[in-house]
Amino acid sequence: ILNVEQSPQSLHVQEGDSTNFTCSFPSSNFYALHWYRWETAKSPEALFVMTLNGDEKKKGRISATLNTKEGYSYLYIKGSQPEDSATYLCAPPPQGGSEKLVFGKGMKLTVNP
Amino acid sequence: GAVVSQHPSRVICKSGTSVKIECRSLDFQATTMFWYRQFPKKSLMLMATSNEGSKATYEQGVEKDKFLINHASLTLSTLTVTSAHPEDSSFYICSAQTASYSTGDEQFFGPGTRLTVL
Repeated sequence: ILNVEQSPQSLHVQEGDSTNFTCSFPSSNFYALHWYRWETAKSPEALFVMTLNGDEKKKGRISATLNTKEGYSYLYIKGSQPEDSATYLCAPPPQGGSEKLVFGKGMKLTVNP
Repeated sequence: GAVVSQHPSRVICKSGTSVKIECRSLDFQATTMFWYRQFPKKSLMLMATSNEGSKATYEQGVEKDKFLINHASLTLSTLTVTSAHPEDSSFYICSAQTASYSTGDEQFFGPGTRLTVL
């Protein structure tokens, strides 16, 4: 069973604050890590697919980094806006090369105006 | 990007009835589709992997006789909740991989189906 840890599980910030989420996973036999932005009862939105150690990807105010050796990925939101309020999910494919995504519990972000 | 649709988007049924949910890849062929379920105040839980032309692979704890999955074509997978009970009320969502999927590609999610069992 793949053990995916996400922290913090819930975060309340003020508009303009920056936020930082951590996704931890077993570092052996790493294939790829996916980040999704998800609003409840809607379709998850793909943010990034991280594959290489040291990867750093950016989409607007959101960026992500990857450390496969120590088994973590950071998701960073600069200058949070109310529309960033959502649950952020990470999912590394299970070891063994399976392509299925097993999400962690998610990190719920609430940005207050 | 690739588009995945689900039908119905919302369904209300009586306890004991069966409900079928369709997941379609509209502009690509999906050899593999996945079914997820959201429990209240929780993340998306993977239920099963649906492979075209073969039996679905269920995750631990998911009853295969309760949640029947059929992937009869490269663009359609169905999830049937049999003899539904109120505890089956949930948000069900599917995702699909293109036939040329490789590690590092994203999966494409459908818009989800809200099931309410009375």
